[in-house]
Amino acid sequence: DTAVSQTPKYLVTQMGNDKSIKCEQNLGHDTMYWYKQDSKKFLKIMFSYNNKELIINETVPNRFSPKSPDKAHLNLHINSLELGDSAVYFCASSQDLWTGGRETQYFGPGTRLLVL
Amino acid sequence: AQSVSQHNHHVILSEAASLELGCNYSYGGTVNLFWYVQYPGQHLQLLLKYFSGDPLVKGIKGFEAEFIKSKFSFNLRKPSVQWSDTAEYFCAVFSSNTGKLIFGQGTTLQVKP
Repeated sequence: DTAVSQTPKYLVTQMGNDKSIKCEQNLGHDTMYWYKQDSKKFLKIMFSYNNKELIINETVPNRFSPKSPDKAHLNLHINSLELGDSAVYFCASSQDLWTGGRETQYFGPGTRLLVL
Repeated sequence: AQSVSQHNHHVILSEAASLELGCNYSYGGTVNLFWYVQYPGQHLQLLLKYFSGDPLVKGIKGFEAEFIKSKFSFNLRKPSVQWSDTAEYFCAVFSSNTGKLIFGQGTTLQVKP
């Protein structure tokens, strides 16, 4: 069974379009995250949610809007896509955010976004 | 600001060679350190982690890492690599101040059969 799943796996779109990436975890975790991996493989956190509440909002353009309908889902909506948004986006989850970092984060397979 | 540095960007080894990947961090607080691996076409998965206690931690698939506080390092080692170890390796430190997991830029390991 997939622990953290993302859809779609690949996303090719034109500049200016709006797109969404969905993430679901079946681990019963309270905390979920979105990371961006750039072309140099550098991974950086974008957002984290704990029990549907936004905890971390890294300096990300407000074209990016995460939405957590319940604690098992964290979706990422991107408005007015730009060329620089091309990257791999990873969703992750962990049991809890407040245990001093002892929690392992479990990652999804990634969504490769290409903006043309 | 906290940061993680992985000095080896691309490592090429023959099977059975020994591996050591460097990781240095800059963070003054209590450190929680991780190594993640990303096999080709797969998601990131945890290799090992350190929170406290024995500074030599053992992970899956024969990997180990040593936390050396005085050197701010957490190098990953494996005595004998296999072709199946070909992957991207990421060192990360959890910042309890910010609640963020901060990754290094990754090391690409290519093992030749």
